[in-house]
Amino acid sequence: NAGVMQNPRHLVRRRGQEARLRCSPMKGHSHVYWYRQLPEEGLKFMVYLQKENIIDESGMPKERFSAEFPKEGPSILRIQQVVRGDSAAYFCASSRQGALYEQYFGPGTRLTVT
Amino acid sequence: ELKVEQNPLFLSMQEGKNYTIYCNYSTTSDRLYWYRQDPGKSLESLFVLLSNGAVKQEGRLMASLDTKARLSTLHITAAVHDLSATYFCAVDGRGQFYFGTGTSLTVIP
Repeated sequence: NAGVMQNPRHLVRRRGQEARLRCSPMKGHSHVYWYRQLPEEGLKFMVYLQKENIIDESGMPKERFSAEFPKEGPSILRIQQVVRGDSAAYFCASSRQGALYEQYFGPGTRLTVT
Repeated sequence: ELKVEQNPLFLSMQEGKNYTIYCNYSTTSDRLYWYRQDPGKSLESLFVLLSNGAVKQEGRLMASLDTKARLSTLHITAAVHDLSATYFCAVDGRGQFYFGTGTSLTVIP
């Protein structure tokens, strides 16, 4: 049973470009969470999605960031017009049904904005 | 917003010694998780604590939860070099996890 998969593992973007990060949850999991980790810090919640629904986006910056989890395919975290401050590790986690179940983390995507 | 505080932030300990990492959180929650993260890697689940008084042990690590005090501890017994990593606690706040700042542990010979 494959774990949570994220790609790419490393992504380099110039300022002003767009970054797309993908996350495929574990088999049987229908809930996806995105977290951001700045260097030397803990993980900060960004958004919680179910298939075709955003459940909680209270941790998402109001501009440039969006997330989706379509009926088919992986969840996508999209960052438009990236800035240097967006450089971080972005982790995706999945769970079976949401709030009551343990989250399993993917390997992360390390975004570097030059 | 639920706040989670860990201490110490940095811990350097000699092999063979014992130590405890503390995790305090600000509002009621019955579920607490401990994770380990090696540099440049993802988070590895260590313990899931689901009720007041829960105690779990794996090897040289033991975790406990006191929901009334809103406190969890991660106790390290007879530390070895392989335990060097950053340890995070996380509290389940209705779907999203709130993470502590992490404790960076270095075990020295």
